[in-house]
Amino acid sequence: DAKTTQPPSMDCAEGRAANLPCNHSTISGNEYVYWYRQIHSQGPQYIIHGLKNNETNEMASLIITEDRKSSTLILPHATLRDTAVYYCIVRFPGYSTLTFGKGTMLLVSP
Amino acid sequence: NAGVTQTPKFRILKIGQSMTLQCAQDMNHNYMYWYRQDPGMGLKLIYYSVGAGITDKGEVPNGYNVSRSTTEDFPLRLELAAPSQTSVYFCASSPSGQGVIYSGNTIYFGEGSWLTVV
Repeated sequence: DAKTTQPPSMDCAEGRAANLPCNHSTISGNEYVYWYRQIHSQGPQYIIHGLKNNETNEMASLIITEDRKSSTLILPHATLRDTAVYYCIVRFPGYSTLTFGKGTMLLVSP
Repeated sequence: NAGVTQTPKFRILKIGQSMTLQCAQDMNHNYMYWYRQDPGMGLKLIYYSVGAGITDKGEVPNGYNVSRSTTEDFPLRLELAAPSQTSVYFCASSPSGQGVIYSGNTIYFGEGSWLTVV
């Protein structure tokens, strides 16, 4: 799996959009970008994934650059419950495992 | 919807003791995994299984054993517990599949088991 780089921490005001960046410059053509988050003391939770098109679901949007070397997870209206560690992971679909880095600690404040 | 269920949630072990962390999933997933997470760190893969009767080592398998006799269950055995095994353990599962059709192949996690070895 390609290596990813994320900032260790970010802050966001409640109600504002949270934009979490991820660099994955060594991504290969068939690797997908996955985002998970881990709220304190809980198991990781799947958020969204994509290959090269932008994706949106009820939780978030994923913007992938045209060269696929970086991506941004967008939480459009962050709430206090979105405070968590966010992991960007690159992997082949169907591949058996996930490789977790240290992720980005997002702190949403009132 | 139970999903992935882990037991026990908390356990304190003495050095040298043995125990088994239980994991069960009710989603008929072929793939199951055990991860550990040390404080302030990301998850590390201990063992995984791609189906009943098939297991393989992950990144940090030493000191652990697994078995997979059924699709639903994937217990993790700690033999001769050591302080270095103090951690949070997460079991996970995902459907099998290859290629674009199964691109979502989402991995679902349990709530974790907190283990302290003293």
